[in-house]
Amino acid sequence: EAAVTQSPRNKVTVTGGNVTLSCRQTNSHNYMYWYRQDTGHGLRLIHYSYGAGNLQIGDVPDGYKATRTTQEDFFLLLELASPSQTSLYFCASSGTGGGARWLYFGSGTRLTVL
Amino acid sequence: QQQVRQSPQSLTVWEGETAILNCSYENSAFDYFPWYQQFPGEGPALLIAIRSVSDKKEDGRFTIFFNKREKKLSLHITDSQPGDSATYFCAASNGGSNYKLTFGKGTLLTVTP
Repeated sequence: EAAVTQSPRNKVTVTGGNVTLSCRQTNSHNYMYWYRQDTGHGLRLIHYSYGAGNLQIGDVPDGYKATRTTQEDFFLLLELASPSQTSLYFCASSGTGGGARWLYFGSGTRLTVL
Repeated sequence: QQQVRQSPQSLTVWEGETAILNCSYENSAFDYFPWYQQFPGEGPALLIAIRSVSDKKEDGRFTIFFNKREKKLSLHITDSQPGDSATYFCAASNGGSNYKLTFGKGTLLTVTP
């Protein structure tokens, strides 16, 4: 069973704060993704990566940075958090070829920016 | 610009009925359409998927019907069970180099016993 682990599960910060969300996958997958989920918007892609050191811009990248340090680890960074970034964040991973389009999601991190 | 649209936003059916969830898309290059199921407190999980070369894909009580000409597809859940109550996301991608998935906003299904 594919495994994607996110931490923390919940996070509260203040406006202007610095936040790092972590994701680790043990699937030996090349692709990793960060999505945010908001009521009325569904899932929106922030950043993604197809390997260590690689970073691709998603559909809603403003205010976010990401870094893929190893094949297993993908981080999402909010350097000056704003209330508009209050959301449920999901990390996902997928393989290559046809498997690249089968995403395995983590359980999510709920971020609140006060 | 919303490339994948879902309707209805929410749907309630009785146990045993067939639930029909609709999805439409704009990009003719999309060729792969997965549906993800999400329970409260969990991440989405792949339920069933179809490629554009097919017009139907069946897996147990779940069936996707695909109309390429109209750029529409639907997910039919027959003999709906309370355990099927969840949010269902339609997604789409093309065979380009990035395999990026575009998700719809989701349909919240409630199955009443």
